[in-house]
Amino acid sequence: QVHLVESGGSLVKPGGSLRLSCAASGFIFSDYNMNWIRQAPGKGLEWVAYISITSSTINYADSVKGRFTLSRDNAKNSLYLQMDSLRAEDTAVYYCARGVDSWADAFDVWGQGTKVTVSS
Amino acid sequence: EIVMTQSPATLSVSPGERATLSCWASQSVNTNLAWYQQKLGQTPRLLVYGASTRATGIPARFSGSGSGAEFILTISSLRSEDSGMYFCQQYENWPYTFGQGTNLEIK
Repeated sequence: QVHLVESGGSLVKPGGSLRLSCAASGFIFSDYNMNWIRQAPGKGLEWVAYISITSSTINYADSVKGRFTLSRDNAKNSLYLQMDSLRAEDTAVYYCARGVDSWADAFDVWGQGTKVTVSS
Repeated sequence: EIVMTQSPATLSVSPGERATLSCWASQSVNTNLAWYQQKLGQTPRLLVYGASTRATGIPARFSGSGSGAEFILTISSLRSEDSGMYFCQQYENWPYTFGQGTNLEIK
């Protein structure tokens, strides 16, 4: 069965750091582009970052550029999001999601999400 | 950044009827458009991508259409379990962007 499981979310003070992880199983992780999407409490969906299969292309939303770093380890079937200089507006549930196809970044598999709260 | 706008914000439809949800892009996204359903407290579920291709396991009651900057998601023979938020998303250009959502209520 295809699964994505996020971890690493917690309560952190403004200016702090967190590292989110996403563990993939049930599919060939190295065949798929991966993304992070977040959802603030009671709000809609916001795409955060994208990484291609070989990590040759990485893109970020302007709201996180320069503060977040996305990486993957295909040997470990894992995706990572290093989050630095966190702000209150980064408070959200963070989902990792798989691109449905190498040419289509619609997200067909989502994790259950990990909650990040930035507050003093 | 491509801005995605959905209409209406809330739609109330009776069981068995058809719901029509609209999504507009601020510029052409060709057919690089997806639709998602999110029920309360759940993870989003991909319904349609490529503007009209149903995702795996999605019933034929869900159909997407459109290209360029105007898109429609049609849900026929509505059931109570179809209630929830529906989001469109473009993946033509980075940053990928979502619409603000349509809240579908089943009367």
